[in-house]
Amino acid sequence: DAKTTQPTSMDCAEGRAANLPCNHSTISGNEYVYWYRQIHSQGPQYIIHGLKNNETNEMASLIITEDRKSSTLILPHATLRDTAVYYCIVRFPAGGTSYGKLTFGQGTILTVHP
Amino acid sequence: KAGVTQTPRYLIKTRGQQVTLSCSPISGHRSVSWYQQTPGQGLQFLFEYFSETQRNKGNFPGRFSGRQFSNSRSEMNVSTLELGDSALYLCASSPLGLETQYFGPGTRLLVL
Repeated sequence: DAKTTQPTSMDCAEGRAANLPCNHSTISGNEYVYWYRQIHSQGPQYIIHGLKNNETNEMASLIITEDRKSSTLILPHATLRDTAVYYCIVRFPAGGTSYGKLTFGQGTILTVHP
Repeated sequence: KAGVTQTPRYLIKTRGQQVTLSCSPISGHRSVSWYQQTPGQGLQFLFEYFSETQRNKGNFPGRFSGRQFSNSRSEMNVSTLELGDSALYLCASSPLGLETQYFGPGTRLLVL
């Protein structure tokens, strides 16, 4: 799986959009970009994933650049409850050593301020 | 649909003991993965089970083992506990092992 690079920490004001970047310059054509978040001492929560096209669900939007070397997770109206560690993960779901495995980096600590 | 459940939620053991943790996946999910999370190493993959067979394994010593039952419920066992085994142990499930994984709340193990 390709390596990802994320900023260590970010701040956001409550009610504003939070834009979390992720660099995955070595991503291959069949690798998906996944985003999870982990609120202190809880299990990681799935947010969204995509391959090439931008994706949106009730939680967030995922913007993937045309060359797929980077992506941005957008939380449109951040709340205090969005304070968490956000993980960007690249994964090639092809069996073998991919079965059931996500490779987590250090993630981005997002702090939402009142 | 009920989410992934893990029991117990908290556990205190002493060095040298063994421990068994349990995970019940989301109904219909046949793949169960286990992860260890520590402040120093972050979230690390332990192993994955599907149809009662271990298909994938991370880089952990043989003291860490697991199994899966015919109803897809899984257990992991750590023998001869060391202080460094203190961690949050997370279980995740997915339908077949290659799709989105959903995590349980974790079991926090403290080894004294």
